[in-house]
Amino acid sequence: DTAVSQTPKYLVTQMGNDKSIKCEQNLGHDTMYWYKQDSKKFLKIMFSYNNKELIINETVPNRFSPKSPDKAHLNLHINSLELGDSAVYFCASSLRQGTDTQYFGPGTRLTVL
Amino acid sequence: GENVEQHPSTLSVQEGDSAVIKCTYSDSASNYFPWYKQELGKRPQLIIDIRSNVGEKKDQRIAVTLNKTAKHFSLHITETQPEDSAVYFCAASRNTGNQFYFGTGTSLTVIP
Repeated sequence: DTAVSQTPKYLVTQMGNDKSIKCEQNLGHDTMYWYKQDSKKFLKIMFSYNNKELIINETVPNRFSPKSPDKAHLNLHINSLELGDSAVYFCASSLRQGTDTQYFGPGTRLTVL
Repeated sequence: GENVEQHPSTLSVQEGDSAVIKCTYSDSASNYFPWYKQELGKRPQLIIDIRSNVGEKKDQRIAVTLNKTAKHFSLHITETQPEDSAVYFCAASRNTGNQFYFGTGTSLTVIP
């Protein structure tokens, strides 16, 4: 069974479009995250949700809006896509905040043309 | 907040040699230090972790050491194999924290 899944795996779109990435975990975890990994491989946290509540909102343009309909899902919606948004986006989850292991999804490679 | 530095950024070793990757952290309250391996095109996956009540932990060819006084921890891979080639990330977090603070990654290449 897939623990943390994301869809789609690849996303190619034009500048200015709006797109969403979905994430689901079947581990029963309370906390979920979104990371952005750029071409230099840096893993930068974007958002963290705990029990559907936003905990972390790093310096991310407000074009990015996370939504957590329930503990098992954390979706990422991006408005007015820009070239600089091209990256791999990883969803992750952990049992609780703090010092529990984070399990990553397979990633979504977003390419903005 | 926490600041995690990781060195080196790239590392090449001959198959069978050892590889060492070092990280330093700034927050003395950090007490959990995981290491993740990311193969090309894949997701980061936990390979080993250590908590602050332990100085060293081993799992087959992989070991992690922690020096709380100096605030640094290291990943040691012995008898390296080509399949060890990947990007390795260290991280630090604490019980009352909300996130992992990741290092900038080390690209390890094992030359057959």
